[in-house]
Amino acid sequence: DVKVTQSSRYLVKRTGEKVFLECVQDMDHENMFWYRQDPGLGLRLIYFSYDVKMKEKGDIPEGYSVSREKKERFSLILESASTNQTSMYLCASSLSGKSGANVLTFGAGSRLTVL
Amino acid sequence: GQNIDQPTEMTATEGAIVQINCTYQTSGFNGLFWYQQHAGEAPTFLSYNVLDGLEEKGRFSSFLSRSKGYSYLLLKELQMKDSASYLCAAVYGQNFVFGPGTRLSVLP
Repeated sequence: DVKVTQSSRYLVKRTGEKVFLECVQDMDHENMFWYRQDPGLGLRLIYFSYDVKMKEKGDIPEGYSVSREKKERFSLILESASTNQTSMYLCASSLSGKSGANVLTFGAGSRLTVL
Repeated sequence: GQNIDQPTEMTATEGAIVQINCTYQTSGFNGLFWYQQHAGEAPTFLSYNVLDGLEEKGRFSSFLSRSKGYSYLLLKELQMKDSASYLCAAVYGQNFVFGPGTRLSVLP
């Protein structure tokens, strides 16, 4: 089975802190994604990557950046955390290419609270 | 943007049948996914529809009408473990657009 592992299940940070959320997948997937999930809003795409060192903005990239130095690892960075970034963050990966038909496999999520 | 609509909450009884509807905008549409998400867990893939019609997979079935911009997920012989959120996601080009999710509560 494909596994998508998010390093931290729960984090509590203070406003202004730099936050790193790490995601690793073990099935050689080309595509990786970061979403945030908020009640009533569904999953919203922050950033995605179709290849190493490649990144593209999603629907809500403001306040976030990403890094993909290795194929299996996709990191989400909050340069200066703010309270409105309190959310559940979900990482996902999918197989090669840019086909919209590829199934997303999700990690268990990282719940971030910014005080 | 592409709005995906689905009811936010539903309640049903163990052993019953429940239908969760999802509507989406048809322009640029490529296909539709359903995911199940238990509280505190990762969403897991249930079904994918790209052509009109019904796809059956055990107790779960998913239907798509491309011309109407409409899909539903049908759950039969409900079990307590089916209590979860059900996420509808439409694909436009390369991008997944998710609905708000439907929280289903199965009562004994």
